[in-house]
Amino acid sequence: DAGVIQSPRHEVTEMGQEVTLRCKPISGHDYLFWYRQTMMRGLELLIYFNNNVPIDDSGMPEDRFSAKMPNASFSTLKIQPSEPRDSAVYFCASSLYWNTGGYTFGSGTRLTVV
Amino acid sequence: DAKTTQPNSMESNEEEPVHLPCNHSTISGTDYIHWYRQLPSQGPEYVIHGLTSNVNNRMASLAIAEDRKSSTLILHRATLRDAAVYYCILRDTVRDDKIIFGKGTRLHILP
Repeated sequence: DAGVIQSPRHEVTEMGQEVTLRCKPISGHDYLFWYRQTMMRGLELLIYFNNNVPIDDSGMPEDRFSAKMPNASFSTLKIQPSEPRDSAVYFCASSLYWNTGGYTFGSGTRLTVV
Repeated sequence: DAKTTQPNSMESNEEEPVHLPCNHSTISGTDYIHWYRQLPSQGPEYVIHGLTSNVNNRMASLAIAEDRKSSTLILHRATLRDAAVYYCILRDTVRDDKIIFGKGTRLHILP
């Protein structure tokens, strides 16, 4: 298995532009998580899905952020409009079992908003 | 939410065992103890988890105190590639809980 695949690896965009981050979870995993990591705040859980349905989006910082999972093999995290404070590394993770198994993380997308 | 306390950083010599401590004095009976690590410029990586008994896998061992208020992640023979931030996390098996990362312990391996 190729693991959790995120794209792009790096994204540089101008303030005000729309940014879309993509994630392909491990086949068969029924949970998908989006995290954000910054030096100041560490790793923060933004939202997670179970069987393509958003379960908890309490970590989404504001309405500029939205996430979708149209099918079991694809999810997107969109920021519109982007701001410099959104600069961070965004990780996607997937999991097979809720209570026992560990999460598998992707390599992340480093977002820079200038 | 149950919290964990870890030292900010630790050092160890290469090829020696490393014991990474974690305190979780407010742990509940349904909390699993999970450990993850994050190598430089990579995403977090699952290491091991346990509930009450000590656990071993190919990466590490997890020793859990009898009262479950503390645990220790043991790397039996550290290599330079084990230099990472190690996170000790509690996951409730009853509530619909998720993995919340703290600050972790930054482990430095000295050659």
